[in-house]
Order: sequence, then structure tokens, then C-alpha cells
Amino acid sequence: DTAVSQTPKYLVTQMGNDKSIKCEQNLGHDTMYWYKQDSKKFLKIMFSYNNKELIINETVPNRFSPKSPDKAHLNLHINSLELGDSAVYFCASSQERPGGTSGITDTQYFGPGTRLTVL
Amino acid sequence: AQSVAQPEDQVNVAEGNPLTVKCTYSVSGNPYLFWYVQYPNRGLQFLLKYITGDNLVKGSYGFEAEFNKSQTSFHLKKPSALVSDSALYFCAVRDQYNFNKFYFGSGTKLNVKP
Repeated sequence: DTAVSQTPKYLVTQMGNDKSIKCEQNLGHDTMYWYKQDSKKFLKIMFSYNNKELIINETVPNRFSPKSPDKAHLNLHINSLELGDSAVYFCASSQERPGGTSGITDTQYFGPGTRLTVL
Repeated sequence: AQSVAQPEDQVNVAEGNPLTVKCTYSVSGNPYLFWYVQYPNRGLQFLLKYITGDNLVKGSYGFEAEFNKSQTSFHLKKPSALVSDSALYFCAVRDQYNFNKFYFGSGTKLNVKP
């Protein structure tokens, strides 16, 4: 059974188009993330949602808009695609158990990635 | 500022030899440290983590890592490398004040030759 799934796996599109990537997790986790991995394999967090609420929004262009209809889904919509958006986008999830000062934290589980190519 | 450094872009090891992939970190508060592995065209897979307790952490596929607070390091090790260990390895850290934020290193490509 797939824990974190993303669709589509590959996405090739023209500059200026609008596209969406979907992510679903069946782990019962309450926190989901989007990461971007560039051509040099550098991995950077874009967004984090906890119980459908936006927690982290890194310096990402407004053209990127995450949407979380429920705890199990976090979709990424990208408007007016640019060449520099070409990358692999990874979704991840985790179960956060903030323990006050003790800070209990858990592992992130990643989806297989979506390779976006903007022509 | 929180950060993770993986000083080696690539590590080459002969099969059967021990391997080490280095990671140093900088966080405020207590660090929570992770290692992930990425095989070609795949997502990241969790290997092991250090939250608290013993400094030597054992993980999947025979890997282990040692937390060294004084050197702010969390090097990944394996006593005997396999060709199938060849992959990209990422160290990650989060601090106790930002549960939702992971900082990843730049990755180290491990090549294990027969």
C-alpha cells in the first residue's frame, strides 16, 4: 500500500500554463509538506500544512498556491509556469506531536516525486 | 540560523569497506537529526534519526549514525558497504522550536564499487 502518493509522476508543459500536482497520504498524519528539488539535487521546503492550516510558507512566488481540502490531501497549484519552475516536487507527511518543551518530533515520509518540465 | 552541511559532494568506497558520510549542523536548542536516502528517480526514504538518548543510533539496511554534540556532527556509517548502497544521502535537522521545518543538507552521492 502506498503511504504517500503523488500525481502525476511526470508533467511536461509550456511556459505560461497553469498546472496542479496532487498529493495524498494514507498514514493518518496531521502535517503535510511540499518540497522542491532542483537540478543540483538541493532540497528546499516550500510549504507546510498542519490540520489543513498553513504553518510554513517559505519565500515562494505567489504563483504557487497550496490547497489542503482535508488532512490527507495537500495539492500544489502553479500559475503562469516559468522555465525556472522545472524541478522535482516532493510531497511529504508526518505526525507531529509537539511535546511542549520536550519537542517530540517524528519522521517525514516522502512521496515518489513529480518531475515538472517547463518548455 | 539553522543549517546543515554535508561537506562532501561525493564519497567513493570499495564494496566490503566501511563507509562514512559526514554531516554537521547548526540549530538553536536541541537538535533532531535525520538521515534519508534517495535512489535514482525515487522519493526520499527514512534511514534513521536521533532525538534523544544513546548517541549511536542504528537504522535501516545496517546503517548507523553517531551524534556528537561537542562537534555538532551526525555522521552516517556502515561497517561494510554494498554496491546497492550507492545512492544520494541527505542529512536533515529540525530544532525543538520549529517542529514543522526541516533543513536538509545538499546531499552526498555515495558510490560503492565492486
